[in-house]
Amino acid sequence: DVKVTQSSRYLVKRTGEKVFLECVQDMDHENMFWYRQDPGLGLRLIYFSYDVKMKEKGDIPEGYSVSREKKERFSLILESASTNQTSMYLCASSLSKAGNTIYFGEGSWLTVV
Amino acid sequence: SQQGEEDPQALSIQEGENATMNCSYKTSINNLQWYRQNSGRGLVHLILIRSNEREKHSGRLRVTLDTSKKSSSLLITASRAADTASYFCATFPYSGAGSYQLTFGKGTKLSVIP
Repeated sequence: DVKVTQSSRYLVKRTGEKVFLECVQDMDHENMFWYRQDPGLGLRLIYFSYDVKMKEKGDIPEGYSVSREKKERFSLILESASTNQTSMYLCASSLSKAGNTIYFGEGSWLTVV
Repeated sequence: SQQGEEDPQALSIQEGENATMNCSYKTSINNLQWYRQNSGRGLVHLILIRSNEREKHSGRLRVTLDTSKKSSSLLITASRAADTASYFCATFPYSGAGSYQLTFGKGTKLSVIP
């Protein structure tokens, strides 16, 4: 079974802090994604990557950056956390470009105070 | 951007009844997928239906796709309390050049009452 592991399940950070959310997948998938999920807004794509060192902006990239130095690892970075970034963050991966099944991690609940 | 829209937003049924959720979308698709999310957890893939398929089954799940109406439905038969979750449809565009992303709807929240 595909496993997508998000390093932190719950985090509380202060406004202005730099925050790293780490994600690792074990199935050699080319594509990796970061979504945020908010009540009433559904899932919104922040960034995705289709190869090592490659990244593409999703629908809401402002305030975020990403890093993909190794194929299995995709990190989401909040350079200066703000309260409006309090949310559930979901990492996901998929094989190839062809609209295949996406496999999700369990999510990271981030609260910025 | 949201492409799929689920209907209804919330559904409450008794255990043993069937649950039907609908999804409408706007542009041509390569495939449509349904996912399930238990409260506070990640999404889990349920079923994928390609644009040239009309119906697909997986256990108690039945998915239909009508590309002329740009709509899909998910039927869960003989529902159980454990089916309580949010259900999302996601679409992959037909013309996927440069695009690797599924677009998710906002979900239907299903409650199955024991």
